[in-house]
Amino acid sequence: QKEVEQNSGPLSVPEGAIASLNCTYSDRGSQSFFWYRQYSGKSPELIMSIYSNGDKEDGRFTAQLNKASQYVSLLIRDSQPSDSATYLCAVTRERGAQKLVFGQGTRLTINP
Amino acid sequence: NAGVMQNPRHLVRRRGQEARLRCSPMKGHSHVYWYRQLPEEGLKFMVYLQKENIIDESGMPKERFSAEFPKEGPSILRIQQVVRGDSAAYFCASSQIAGVIYEQFFGPGTRLTVL
Repeated sequence: QKEVEQNSGPLSVPEGAIASLNCTYSDRGSQSFFWYRQYSGKSPELIMSIYSNGDKEDGRFTAQLNKASQYVSLLIRDSQPSDSATYLCAVTRERGAQKLVFGQGTRLTINP
Repeated sequence: NAGVMQNPRHLVRRRGQEARLRCSPMKGHSHVYWYRQLPEEGLKFMVYLQKENIIDESGMPKERFSAEFPKEGPSILRIQQVVRGDSAAYFCASSQIAGVIYEQFFGPGTRLTVL
């Protein structure tokens, strides 16, 4: 079982709709959770971080964490073509500075 | 620009040569991480360093790879006697020492091609 699992996609969403990206993790000790966006040929860009159960909103993005079910999700409202990218879920085992364990990423395409 | 800097952006080496990748963290950041992304694969952790200390090198290959973060200057990832399988994108990230969550910010990466 992979430590961090994501559906590789591609996930196609019409422009203006809500894109929902999911991630599960195997280590119950995981403490901090991150979503990164990576455009083709570019480096990962941090979108959201979350470590408490519940929702965290930042603009069009909402991260949701459920530690009991060991999943974290990212919702993108009012999806734009510029949101088309690979979205990487990453976790750390401790809140302090630790290595990020990444999922394989979900490729998202927003269709105009 | 106070972002993470990496150089060179592209590096071509022949098999058996040495590759040196440099990373300067964001201003105010003292934690540096190196990750590797092989073609069509996910990001894999290699090593975590603070100034003059290697904190976690659990992701580093046992041979040919080394990393340092000296008191002065950038962090260096060194690959000796490169092989074709070392061709990948190497990303450096940095984080700060204060706060609840140590968010890591990535540099633009170095694309290494081994001929």
